[in-house]
Amino acid sequence: DIQMTQSPSSLSASVGDRVTITCRTSQSISIYLNWYQQTPGKAPKLLIYAASSLQSGVPSRFSGSGSGTEFTLTISSLQPEDFGTYYCQQSYNTPYTFGQGTKLDIK
Amino acid sequence: QVQLQESGPGLVKPSQTLSLTCTVSGASISSGGYYWTWIRQQPGKALEWIGYIYYSGDTYYNPSLRSRVTISVDMSKNQFSLNLSSVTAADTAVYYCSRSPRGQGYFDYWGQGTLVTVSS
Repeated sequence: DIQMTQSPSSLSASVGDRVTITCRTSQSISIYLNWYQQTPGKAPKLLIYAASSLQSGVPSRFSGSGSGTEFTLTISSLQPEDFGTYYCQQSYNTPYTFGQGTKLDIK
Repeated sequence: QVQLQESGPGLVKPSQTLSLTCTVSGASISSGGYYWTWIRQQPGKALEWIGYIYYSGDTYYNPSLRSRVTISVDMSKNQFSLNLSSVTAADTAVYYCSRSPRGQGYFDYWGQGTLVTVSS
């Protein structure tokens, strides 16, 4: 199975801050990397697919980049509704695997 | 608007079979183009892909669960189901159904999730 490592595991940031979350994979996965946001008691929500493609309806302050084994999710200007836990997921091969999550708190 | 809704018992006894159903609205399973998926989240752990089914009946399972998992589809009801046999406390989790565009591997619509506790 492809192992996913996210960093940091948690962070606290202020409204308006630029936030970056990193995901590293145990082998090269080209651009087959997706990002989700999960808020408490809710299902994960797809933000970014194929490393950098913005899912329909997702605000443009979210962006993704990377290829191979290192990927980043960036929130350009943090908003109060952006709190929650962010997960990366590889879709290079099955079994699909997820990172352990990055918990983002708003200061 | 595509919606998915999980249903099933919230409590299952050890060694029994966990059975959940996902009802899909706003999309037709029989139209093809999507894999219908089960994912779970055990307390304090990462999300875990369980497996998925295509309308044709083709299934793909996580090897870690393959010996205990069956996913089936009922197109007449626009539903798909999960059976997980011989459950233990380690199978306690929130179970989600979701949709994955064929060939893409990401999950664009999710149910709200249902907590299943394995306990005697």
